[in-house]
Amino acid sequence: QQQVRQSPQSLTVWEGETAILNCSYEDSTFDYFPWYHQFPGESPALLIAIRPVSNKKEDGRFTIFFNKREKKFSLHIADSQPGDSATYFCAANTGGLSGKLTFGEGTQVTVIS
Amino acid sequence: NSKVIQTPRYLVKGQGQKAKMRCIPEKGHPVVFWYQQNKNNEFKFLINFQNQEVLQQIDMTEKRFSAECPSNSPCSLEIQSSEAGDSALYLCASSLQGANERLFFGHGTKLSVL
Repeated sequence: QQQVRQSPQSLTVWEGETAILNCSYEDSTFDYFPWYHQFPGESPALLIAIRPVSNKKEDGRFTIFFNKREKKFSLHIADSQPGDSATYFCAANTGGLSGKLTFGEGTQVTVIS
Repeated sequence: NSKVIQTPRYLVKGQGQKAKMRCIPEKGHPVVFWYQQNKNNEFKFLINFQNQEVLQQIDMTEKRFSAECPSNSPCSLEIQSSEAGDSALYLCASSLQGANERLFFGHGTKLSVL
């Protein structure tokens, strides 16, 4: 069964700290791993994504670390800001362009100042 | 700002009633997805289209769900006979090249079945 597991369910960090969100998967045919964030009352939006040819992807304060052997990937939010407070979802796709994204359960991140 | 337009934003139905929601994908995006997001924020994939053709869909065994993306008209998702368990946020997303690229989500239709 295609599943993506995400942890923790919720995370509180101080402003300036690094928040670390984790995901794992079982299906080795997954070939695209995005992270989406969703603010309350808003639609999900793509934050950053990685493909298995890379083990790291950076975009500003956001970094994905990818471990193909262990089938794990994580999102690091450096120098967390209160404005980063949102729910973050990892996801994975198999089936190429005609596939579907399978989402993790979400991590609610709260950044306190 | 999302360019995927979903209507209505809120939909209230009684059990057994039909519930229909619409989605206009971003201009030029041939691939459309429907997801159900429950109160625990969990996503459930329902169906996706490329132009008018179904790419994948869940086993809508109860046959209460139907969806289409006709040419030159909004896409739609319809629940024939609503049940309390259908209460959720229904999200439409579109993409230029499918699930291996960015999905642009609409704000969703929040369905409440009383």
